[in-house]
Amino acid sequence: GAVVSQHPSRVICKSGTSVKIECRSLDFQATTMFWYRQFPKQSLMLMATSNEGSKATYEQGVEKDKFLINHASLTLSTLTVTSAHPEDSSFYICSARDRAGLGAYEQYFGPGTRLTVT
Amino acid sequence: EDQVTQSPEALRLQEGESSSLNCSYTVSGLRGLFWYRQDPGKGPEFLFTLYSAGEEKEKERLKATLTKKESFLHITAPKPEDSATYLCAVQARSSNTGKLIFGQGTTLQVKP
Repeated sequence: GAVVSQHPSRVICKSGTSVKIECRSLDFQATTMFWYRQFPKQSLMLMATSNEGSKATYEQGVEKDKFLINHASLTLSTLTVTSAHPEDSSFYICSARDRAGLGAYEQYFGPGTRLTVT
Repeated sequence: EDQVTQSPEALRLQEGESSSLNCSYTVSGLRGLFWYRQDPGKGPEFLFTLYSAGEEKEKERLKATLTKKESFLHITAPKPEDSATYLCAVQARSSNTGKLIFGQGTTLQVKP
């Protein structure tokens, strides 16, 4: 159980174009999903928290107009990188929250999306 | 400020050589501490959740323990397939979204 998928796994786009990444919880409902960015040999950097049916909460320093997040249903969140530039090239990972145990919310991660902007 | 520090940054072991990874944390009220395994080019894979000091959990060659200030991930008789980056994260009671605060990870390499 607790499987999260991401699509696409790899994407190459030209500078100035937009690209959408989908994150789905396959066997559970996720009221909250998270979007992370990871640079080579570094840990995960939280970009934003996405709540179903409401606006996403962005971390400090993350441009909300550049990284558009939509959480339209309990199983789907999307991240759109608008007007992508080479510096946006990175590994993007989503996670979905599932309630467990004594109130701690376990997060299950998707396999990630490698974005390359040329 | 809530913070997680993992050590060492990198660890090389021979197959069968047991060792421990450390995760030190400061958090304003711990809701849970999580261990994940991440292979290159993949998303983190959930391993354990620990809730209170004294708690221990095991899975195959891995055992996670928790005190009020740190957590250890013990690896007993590791195999080459245990090679990965191990991430520790904490969740504060003050977070109603379940936000995780990650350490920088420990990259483990097990040589045959």
